[in-house]
Amino acid sequence: DIQMTQSPSSLSASVGDRVTITCRASQIISNHLHGYLNWYQQIPGKAPKLLIYDASKLQTGVPSRFSGSGSGTDFTLTISSLQPEDFATYYCQQSYGSPTFGPGTKVDLK
Amino acid sequence: EVQLVESGGGLVQPGGSLRLSCAASGFTFGRYAMSWVRQAPGKGLEWVSGASGDGGSTFYADSVKGRLTISRDNSENTLYLQMNSLRADDTAVYYCAREYPVTTFDSWGQGTLVTVSS
Repeated sequence: DIQMTQSPSSLSASVGDRVTITCRASQIISNHLHGYLNWYQQIPGKAPKLLIYDASKLQTGVPSRFSGSGSGTDFTLTISSLQPEDFATYYCQQSYGSPTFGPGTKVDLK
Repeated sequence: EVQLVESGGGLVQPGGSLRLSCAASGFTFGRYAMSWVRQAPGKGLEWVSGASGDGGSTFYADSVKGRLTISRDNSENTLYLQMNSLRADDTAVYYCAREYPVTTFDSWGQGTLVTVSS
């Protein structure tokens, strides 16, 4: 199975901050056409929500302050200006093989 | 609007069985692969099982292979997860999720809690 890691495991930030979360796969999960990496947001007590798919494509209805980048084994989720509703846990997930998730990054209020 | 509603969770003894259901609406169910993803209390997400749109291909995580069986009834727009030989480490919220594209989970249900305990 492809193993996923995320850093940091948690971070404290303020409204308006720029936040970056990194995800690394144990093997290459992209090619010249696709990055098989997705990002989800989970608010406590709620189901996960797809934010970014194919490494950099914004899911319909997701605010443009969210963006994704990366290729190969290293990927990044960026929130350009953190909003109150963005305090949540973020998971990466590879869709190259049998799906696996990263351990999550919890974003809380500084 | 896509809606996925899970049911069937509850308390079961170790070694017992349970069947989860996921009722789908708002889209053409048979055109989409579907999966079950679980989350143990206070832990991260774990993909458990998936089924192709016609149900002819099914996939399992190693941790559940041989004990859990995914199936679907496209005439009833319902996804199932038959859970046998349950263990304490199967305790989790089980989410039903639509795949689009394949193995990308674009819509999720609210989840149903399975607790395995004596």
